[in-house]
Amino acid sequence: KQEVTQIPAALSVPEGENLVLNCSFTDSAIYNLQWFRQDPGKGLTSLLLIQSSQREQTSGRLNASLDKSSGRSTLYIAASQPGDSATYLCAVRPVGTALIFGKGTTLSVSS
Amino acid sequence: DGGITQSPKYLFRKEGQNVTLSCEQNLNHDAMYWYRQDPGQGLRLIYYSQIVNDFQKGDIAEGYSVSREKKESFPLTVTSAQKNPTAFYLCASSIDRPGSGANVLTFGAGSRLTVL
Repeated sequence: KQEVTQIPAALSVPEGENLVLNCSFTDSAIYNLQWFRQDPGKGLTSLLLIQSSQREQTSGRLNASLDKSSGRSTLYIAASQPGDSATYLCAVRPVGTALIFGKGTTLSVSS
Repeated sequence: DGGITQSPKYLFRKEGQNVTLSCEQNLNHDAMYWYRQDPGQGLRLIYYSQIVNDFQKGDIAEGYSVSREKKESFPLTVTSAQKNPTAFYLCASSIDRPGSGANVLTFGAGSRLTVL
């Protein structure tokens, strides 16, 4: 059964730092991997989607990489800002079913 | 604006009562999903539907039921058989079916159910 793990569970950094969030998954048979952002009490916003054939995707200050063979993905956030404070969720889409989510990394960026 | 509307935003239920959470989308998406989120936990899949009049159980379907009579609507009923229903419920949709490659999910704002 596919399992998704995110490390660390929580992270606090000062404004301006570059940071990396980690995601690992147990079964490499996936169609794609997605990173989402969730603000407290809100729904999820899709940040980046990486197809299984791709190595990375970039959007503004965000860069996500995928190493399917090792079952790992990273989300790199450059020059962090207080507005980046949120929970970041990683999810994989296995063959034949819907997205499976990790438990998330809660990020706090202080000014 | 296109999007997903979930209602109600907050719902209180007495033990033994069934409640229905509404999810409507005007994105013309084929697939719709229901997830449950508990504090400190990731999202867990309850049910999903790829097309009208068809749906599949997710990992935690026991105590829940769904219907998909229209493409735009995918209501979730939390029955009295669900032993611990207090949670945050999220509905999502995607343009492609789960078995295909591209599947960017769009989420609603969520419904918070509390059992008194």
